[in-house]
Amino acid sequence: SQTIHQWPATLVQPVGSPLSLECTVEGTSNPNLYWYRQAAGRGLQLLFYSVGIGQISSEVPQNLSASRPQDRQFILSSKKLLLSDSGFYLCAWSEREKAFFGQGTRLTVV
Amino acid sequence: DQQVKQNSPSLSVQEGRISILNCDYTNSMFDYFLWYKKYPAEGPTFLISISSIKDKNEDGRFTVFLNKSAKHLSLHIVPSQPGDSAVYFCAASVRYGGSQGNLIFGKGTKLSVKP
Repeated sequence: SQTIHQWPATLVQPVGSPLSLECTVEGTSNPNLYWYRQAAGRGLQLLFYSVGIGQISSEVPQNLSASRPQDRQFILSSKKLLLSDSGFYLCAWSEREKAFFGQGTRLTVV
Repeated sequence: DQQVKQNSPSLSVQEGRISILNCDYTNSMFDYFLWYKKYPAEGPTFLISISSIKDKNEDGRFTVFLNKSAKHLSLHIVPSQPGDSAVYFCAASVRYGGSQGNLIFGKGTKLSVKP
């Protein structure tokens, strides 16, 4: 069966520090991968999606970037965090129309 | 412009009664709709879905209704249980080009089921 792993679960980072969140999927090949952010009162916002290695599409302009160095690995990064980057970040993979989510990372930028 | 709207941020229901969560959408190209359930500090989990060729899909206590002419869908939970207390997200599938399968989510409705 397919599983998705996302880490860390919580992270507190100072403003201006770098960020790296990692997500891996097991049990499937060439999945579509996604990064979402849940901010207070704003639901689930799609940040990036990837349909293959090295293929990244951004949905919103922002201070973050994503990379897919391997088929089942998706990384969310930032060179310098802003206070507004705080939120709950979710990695997901999709099979046809359904998306399956990781456990999420609570990022607090202080 | 929000393509998927959940206009009720919260809903409180008595245990055993029916919970009705509503969702509206604006994009007529959407052809697949899903409901996700989310507990605090966890990722959303898939609950139930419906294709645009149907107007109803039922799974146990959960039923989703789709009214394409009104661009409206709803999730019915009956009977409601305290364990159903969570945030419910409505999502719609956008199908075009390289973003096939991307889901557009509403802002969520927090359901509280009181014993």
